[in-house]
Amino acid sequence: AQKVTQAQTEISVVEKEDVTLDCVYETRDTTYYLFWYKQPPSGELVFLIRRNSFDEQNEISGRYSWNFQKSTSSFNFTITASQVVDSAVYFCALSYRGYALNFGKGTSLLVTP
Amino acid sequence: SQTIHQWPATLVQPVGSPLSLECTVEGTSNPNLYWYRQAAGRGLQLLFYSVGIGQISSEVPQNLSASRPQDRQFILSSKKLLLSDSGFYLCAWNRGRLETQYFGPGTRLTVL
Repeated sequence: AQKVTQAQTEISVVEKEDVTLDCVYETRDTTYYLFWYKQPPSGELVFLIRRNSFDEQNEISGRYSWNFQKSTSSFNFTITASQVVDSAVYFCALSYRGYALNFGKGTSLLVTP
Repeated sequence: SQTIHQWPATLVQPVGSPLSLECTVEGTSNPNLYWYRQAAGRGLQLLFYSVGIGQISSEVPQNLSASRPQDRQFILSSKKLLLSDSGFYLCAWNRGRLETQYFGPGTRLTVL
């Protein structure tokens, strides 16, 4: 079965703190892709990263970093030195059947000054 | 560059009324197109996808339907809305299988 679990429903941090958003997935596919999207209050989903199942290298983009571990079926997202503008709902998603995305329920991140 | 448009941005409709939401993509040809619904509680559910004109795959049985009359146009419809159809409807596109999906700004539908 395909499943994405984001166990953290809401996280609240103070600006400049580091925060990690967890994502655990289940799939029977040998080739699959994982994604992270950001949904600010405006509602539009903004693509952050795509990672295929054969590439376990961690990735860093500015204050954002991602840790992909197939052994634990996890694809965690860390924001370093969080800022108020990082406040949003963050979704982890898993490809299935080639065309669709299976989304987790999202983690709402609130960064306060 | 590619852009994706959705309209209307917000819509309030009475129960039993028809629905038509439109999505168009610019700057690409033969995209895969998708309709998702995000109900209260934030989860996104895939409703329909299309790999070409006139080709629609339905993921969830419901009173909604989708059509793709042109290459870059995707329409979500209903003949009679239900209260449970309320939600945030997102259209997305990508270039092909396993490619990144890019989302439109969404339509917020309230059925009263």
